[in-house]
Amino acid sequence: QVQLVQSGAEVKQPGASVKVSCRTSGYTFTDYTLHWVRQAPGQRLEWMGWINAGNADTGYSQQFQGRVTITRDTSASTAYMELGSLRSEDTAVYFCARDAHYGSGVYNYFDLWGQGTLVTVSS
Amino acid sequence: EIVLTQSPGTLSLSPGEGATLSCRASQSVSSTYLAWYQQKPGQAPRLLIYGISSRATGIPDRFSGSGSGTDFTLTISRLEPEDFAVYYCQQYGSSPWTFGQGTKVEIK
Repeated sequence: QVQLVQSGAEVKQPGASVKVSCRTSGYTFTDYTLHWVRQAPGQRLEWMGWINAGNADTGYSQQFQGRVTITRDTSASTAYMELGSLRSEDTAVYFCARDAHYGSGVYNYFDLWGQGTLVTVSS
Repeated sequence: EIVLTQSPGTLSLSPGEGATLSCRASQSVSSTYLAWYQQKPGQAPRLLIYGISSRATGIPDRFSGSGSGTDFTLTISRLEPEDFAVYYCQQYGSSPWTFGQGTKVEIK
């Protein structure tokens, strides 16, 4: 079964970092790019960045540049998103999502999503 | 950054009725790079339409997309009970890829 399974909910203090994982199964991990998208309460979806699971190239939204790092572990078929210098406005559900393009290249729309990970930033 | 504005915010309809959802971009969307997603409470979004009008795998033909430039439409021809959800448009022609604020289709 093709799926993305994310790590569990996190509660962090302001100024801390959080690392969310996205374990893939049912397809060849290195054949697709993975993206991270977040959804704050009552807000629209926000694209954060991507990683080419094959060669580890990354790209980030300017809004998160310098605060977000996306990595991957091919042996575990897992991608990670780490967001630092957390503030209350970062409270959101974070999704990993698979790019719809098979192989090298990207389409930048998303055909498969993880279940989401709630990150709460609170003192 | 391209801002997508969806209307209406909420659509109250009965099963069997048709639904027309609008997505307007602050500037022209490159080529055909416009997608639509459906999201139900507590779930991840689900891809419905890409390339303005191409249905994703497994999406029934009561869902259709149209439009060009800055104005796009998602049409649901006859609402089924499982279609009541929030719908988002997304442009992927100009980074950062952006989403609309959503249209909620609720049961009247």
